[in-house]
Amino acid sequence: SQKIEQNSEALNIQEGKTATLTCNYTNYSPAYLQWYRQDPGRGPVFLLLIRENEKEKRKERLKVTFDTTLKQSLFHITASQPADSATYLCALGGFQKLVFGTGTRLLVSP
Amino acid sequence: NAGVTQTPKFQVLKTGQSMTLQCAQDMNHEYMSWYRQDPGMGLRLIHYSVGAGITDQGEVPNGYNVSRSTTEDFPLRLLSAAPSQTSVYFCASSTTSRRDSPLHFGNGTRLTVT
Repeated sequence: SQKIEQNSEALNIQEGKTATLTCNYTNYSPAYLQWYRQDPGRGPVFLLLIRENEKEKRKERLKVTFDTTLKQSLFHITASQPADSATYLCALGGFQKLVFGTGTRLLVSP
Repeated sequence: NAGVTQTPKFQVLKTGQSMTLQCAQDMNHEYMSWYRQDPGMGLRLIHYSVGAGITDQGEVPNGYNVSRSTTEDFPLRLLSAAPSQTSVYFCASSTTSRRDSPLHFGNGTRLTVT
């Protein structure tokens, strides 16, 4: 069955460092992958989309990579700030549907 | 610029009661969907709609009904609430039903069934 894995343990880093979050998937061949941010008590907010023919996508301090051979996406936040603390969800694209991972909580300490 | 609005924010039901979770969007989005989010399970798709008058089932549709009479509104009905339906419910919309259209989420309804 299709499976999306994100690290369930929180990632703790210091302000100014680069945070790297991982999204692995099996039994799936998505045409694209999306990343969302979710704050407590709020709905997810779209951040970035990367297609299967793109190796890397950037937006300000965010960078996403997509390796269809390894079946993995990496999400990087450079020069992290306490305001980046949130849960980050990856989602894989299927026909008219997105399949979400469980998310990884990021904690950036000053 | 309201985006996706969900009401109520919180609801407590007794087993067997019915209710409707409301969702409205003011972005003229074609695609709307309902997800539930449970600890350790991620977001799971309940029902979705690609336009007014068209609905379809997602991954976990049992116990829920939807209708889409207008582009703006997509209510979710719980027919006979069960404790297993205790969850946080999110409504989401996107410009089109294309697979790469980003979803815009509401802020959720937290439902407890006792």
